Amino acid sequence: QVTLKESGPVLVKPTETLTLTCTVSGFSLSNARMGVSWIRQPPGKALEWLAHIFSNDEKSYSTSLKSRLTVSKDTSKTQVVLTMTNMDPVDTATYFCARLLTSGSYYFDCWGQGTLVTVSS
Amino acid sequence: QSALTQPASVSGSPGQSITISCTGTSSDVGSYNLVSWYQQHPGKAPKLLIYVGSNRPSGVSSRFSASKSGNTASLTISGLQAEDEADYYCCSYAGSSIHVFGTGTKVTVL
Repeated sequence: QVTLKESGPVLVKPTETLTLTCTVSGFSLSNARMGVSWIRQPPGKALEWLAHIFSNDEKSYSTSLKSRLTVSKDTSKTQVVLTMTNMDPVDTATYFCARLLTSGSYYFDCWGQGTLVTVSS
Repeated sequence: QSALTQPASVSGSPGQSITISCTGTSSDVGSYNLVSWYQQHPGKAPKLLIYVGSNRPSGVSSRFSASKSGNTASLTISGLQAEDEADYYCCSYAGSSIHVFGTGTKVTVL
C-alpha cells in the first residue's frame, strides 16, 4: 500500500524558512518510473504545483517560486524535504506531497493528507 | 506558467451529464496529451480521476470521462450523483518537468 505523509510546523513567522518533510511508504524513491511533487492549496483556493524530485535526484520548480524553493530526498529514510525561504502570509496553505508517475505519462496517483501551514507573526 | 482556466462552478440535477472545461495554451494542454483530472471533497486530499487521455484508475466510476481538443481539455460526468458534489481540478504537463493545475471547478448537484 502506497502512502505519503507530510509533517512540519503548523505556524511560521514572516521571513522565516519553512521546512516540510514527506515520508513515503509502499514504493522506493529510487524507482525510475516515479517521483514526488509538492503541491499547495491556500484556504478556499486552487491547487498550485510547487516542485518535483525524480529518482535520479533531478529537480524541477515552479517558475514563479523557483528562487525560494529547494527540494531534496533521503532515499534511505524514504523522505522528501521541501524548504521555502522568506515565508509570507500569502504562503498560508495546505501543503501536499504526491507521487508522480513518470513512465510514459505524468499524473499524481497518490497524495498525502496535507499539512496546513499558517504564516503569521 | 499560468493556471489553466476552468469555470468556477457547474451544476446539474441528478442523472444529468455535465462537462467541465480546462483551457490552457499551446505550451501545455495543446502540446501534450498529459492532462489529468482530480476530484477533491472538502477537507480531503485530491483524488485521481482521469489520466493520459481518458484512462481511469481502478475504482473510478466509468461515469467519468475526458477528452481534449486543441488547447482545451474536458471532463464529463454522466449520470450525476450526489456524491459527485466536489471540486474538480485539471492538471497538465507544461514541458521542462513543470506541471500546471487549473483554477478549479465546484460541482453542485441540484
